[in-house]
Amino acid sequence: EIVLTQSPGTLSLSPGERATLSCRASQSVSSSYLAWYQQKPGQAPRLLIYGASSRATGIPDRFSGSGSGTDFTLTISRLEPEDFAVYYCQQYGSSPEYTFGQGTKLEIK
Amino acid sequence: EVQLVESGGGLVQPGGSLRLSCAASGFTVSSNYMSWVRQAPGKGLEWVSVIYSGGSTYYADSVKGRFTISRHNSKNTLYLQMNSLRAEDTAVYYCALIVVGAFDIWGQGTMVTVSS
Repeated sequence: EIVLTQSPGTLSLSPGERATLSCRASQSVSSSYLAWYQQKPGQAPRLLIYGASSRATGIPDRFSGSGSGTDFTLTISRLEPEDFAVYYCQQYGSSPEYTFGQGTKLEIK
Repeated sequence: EVQLVESGGGLVQPGGSLRLSCAASGFTVSSNYMSWVRQAPGKGLEWVSVIYSGGSTYYADSVKGRFTISRHNSKNTLYLQMNSLRAEDTAVYYCALIVVGAFDIWGQGTMVTVSS
């Protein structure tokens, strides 16, 4: 089973700053099957990025994804007030298995 | 508009059963990969089960043998039958449409509480 480890656990930044969130896999992950989600309190998760770097429908271009193999990154270029939330990475592998990281909380500094 | 609406959650005693429903609109459940994902209070996301368009079903080890995923084609609805429920099954249960390995569309979730 592939384990996804996200870092940092909590990231404290101010609006307008750049956020860089990391997701590291215990084994190589197909880039086609690495996704990122945003979840706000009391809401369902929302798909941001799929295929490691493709933005989902309606996602602003300040969100970008990159990486391959075991190291993936979600970058938010200029934080807006509505971006403060919890972010999860997720991979799909054979078997099948769908695995989530433990999440990174992005909070206002 | 593509939409998923879950129902059927509630309070159940340990060892009991519950069936969750997920009504879909804007697309055809039977033509797509559909899944259940859960989130225990204050915790992260955990994949529970998936049903593929061809009918194959798969489960997380934590629910295998106790939960059953199914669909009703004419009602365009996804189900999760949960038996032998445990306290650790307490969570918000989301249904989701899978596209290219990612959970593209999510329902609003339904809360399941297992407690005596």
